[in-house]
Parts: sequence; C-alpha cells; structure tokens
Amino acid sequence: GQQLNQSPQSMFIQEGEDVSMNCTSSSIFNTWLWYKQDPGEGPVLLIALYKAGELTSNGRLTAQFGITRKDSFLNISASIPSDVGIYFCAGPRVSGGSNYKLTFGKGTLLTVNP
Amino acid sequence: NAGVTQTPKFQVLKTGQSMTLQCAQDMNHNSMYWYRQDPGMGLRLIYYSASEGTTDKGEVPNGYNVSRLNKREFSLRLESAAPSQTSVYFCASTERAGAYEQYFGPGTRLTVT
Repeated sequence: GQQLNQSPQSMFIQEGEDVSMNCTSSSIFNTWLWYKQDPGEGPVLLIALYKAGELTSNGRLTAQFGITRKDSFLNISASIPSDVGIYFCAGPRVSGGSNYKLTFGKGTLLTVNP
Repeated sequence: NAGVTQTPKFQVLKTGQSMTLQCAQDMNHNSMYWYRQDPGMGLRLIYYSASEGTTDKGEVPNGYNVSRLNKREFSLRLESAAPSQTSVYFCASTERAGAYEQYFGPGTRLTVT
C-alpha cells in the first residue's frame, strides 16, 4: 500500500534550535503536503509541494519535495514554544476517477523547551 | 467564516449506545471527509463524500454510517458503539474532489465504556 513513514516519531528541542523531519514512501507521490496539529485542535495545512525538487518556504518553515518523489523534508528554523504540536506529512492516493483521498503519516511530535 | 464546525466536542457512550456526530462547513466546499485519530496511528479515513448526494467508504468504515444531508453538512453515525471506537474524530472538507488542501474541524473526543 501507499504508506508514509515519518521520522523521528518525537523530538524534544530547546527554543532557538533548528528542526528537521522527513517523510518517506515506497510509492511515488505527485504531491506532498505538510500539516501541523496544535494540541486539542484539528490539523492545519502548512505547505503544499507539487513538483519534484521543489523547495517552498512559509516563514520559518521550509519543505522540499524529494527528487525521487518518494520523500519530503520539513525544516523549522529558530524554533519557538508555539511550534509545539504534531507534524503530519500527507499525499494523495488515486482511487479511481477524480476522487482523491489523502494518506497521512503517523506524525512527528515536537516539544520545544523554553 | 467559521470554517468547519463539529458537535459535540466531547461525548461518553456506553457500549451498544448509538449517536451521531455532526459536521458543517460554510466554505461552499463540495467534498467532505470523516477521519479518526488514535495515538500513534495518524489519521485514518472512515468515509468521504466527493459531492452532495454521494458517499464512499474509506480505510476503516466498519461500524459507521454517514449521511451527506446537503452541501454544508456531513454526519457520522455509530449505530452500536464499541470500546474500539474510542477515538478523536475529525471532519474535513475540500473545495472539490481532487483538491488536496483539506480544512479540518476541531474534532470530537469520543469515549466508549
């Protein structure tokens, strides 16, 4: 199946440090999405990547679409306490016609110590 | 705009009881989704509705039914709740089937004892 493997599962960092996490698959994806879930809330889309090799930034966040189309990376620079949450990667599964469904990774839990 | 709203926020059920989780969106989106989130499992799709009048099964549909009441509303029903259905349930919507950017509601935390 089209599983997404995220690593690390969890991270504990000090405020101000940079963070890197990644997502890999045995299948090719044509789109990569990164979501963040704040404690007690629903996920919110951070960055969408549509082209192999693409590098996209959103403030202190930078995400890359791997050249093999089987992986993606998310970096957070100069972390702050509000970066705490679960970060999910996701990609669309084609299931006939135009009804695309998303496959989600299991998430990376980020804790930032002030 | 409220975006995607879900009710209730919390619910405790006894095994065998039934209930309906409500979801509504005010973004005029065509497609809506129900997910469950369990610790260490990420988000798993239960059912989705590509457009008003259509519904389809996702990865984990057993024990659930859905109704796309109109374009705005998509409800999830548990006919006979089981402890394995203890989870956090999220509703999401997209502008159209094939659009990947999903907008999520705040979730319903359900406990079945």
